[in-house]
Amino acid sequence: DAGVIQSPRHEVTEMGQEVTLRCKPISGHNSLFWYRQTMMRGLELLIYFNNNVPIDDSGMPEDRFSAKMPNASFSTLKIQPSEPRDSAVYFCASSFGVGSYEQYFGPGTRLTVT
Amino acid sequence: AQKITQTQPGMFVQEKEAVTLDCTYDTSDPSYGLFWYKQPSSGEMIFLIYQGSYDQQNATEGRYSLNFQKARKSANLVISASQLGDSAMYFCAMTPGGNTGKLIFGQGTTLQVKP
Repeated sequence: DAGVIQSPRHEVTEMGQEVTLRCKPISGHNSLFWYRQTMMRGLELLIYFNNNVPIDDSGMPEDRFSAKMPNASFSTLKIQPSEPRDSAVYFCASSFGVGSYEQYFGPGTRLTVT
Repeated sequence: AQKITQTQPGMFVQEKEAVTLDCTYDTSDPSYGLFWYKQPSSGEMIFLIYQGSYDQQNATEGRYSLNFQKARKSANLVISASQLGDSAMYFCAMTPGGNTGKLIFGQGTTLQVKP
């Protein structure tokens, strides 16, 4: 069975450029989560969706970040314009529901902004 | 505010021995969930074990068990018969009450298994 799929796996871009990260959740899962991992801040939840609807975006750092989930099998996280401090590993995860259900993580996208 | 604390930045264990990774949590919600994830050097996050706040028995999954002490607000991970492949970063995480999907992670513990 395919797990959570993320693309690209690595992204290097220059400051000011737009970056789009993509995620395909596990089929049948109705919750999708975007996390960011850095050495300084650890793992942080940015936003999560339930049934394609954004439920909690309180972790989105600022207006430069936006996320969409147009259908049950696809989500994007966009950074525009990107800054060096956005450099991190971005994980997408999905689950059957929220609360007690384990979240299955994708391999992550390592973003470097120069 | 909800918080997860992992006080051991790094741990060593001899192969085939058991090891306990500490985790304490802080929440005022009566209903919550506790998780452990493993992150090997390759970077992926692997779910290991789950404990609900109302579960009467400690969770077990193969060589992993969760020592849940509710009064102390601790949820330590016990790995029995350590293997070299257990060398990784381990994260404790919590979902606060209210059926929210928000996972709050601790800072992690790096475990190294010695041959």
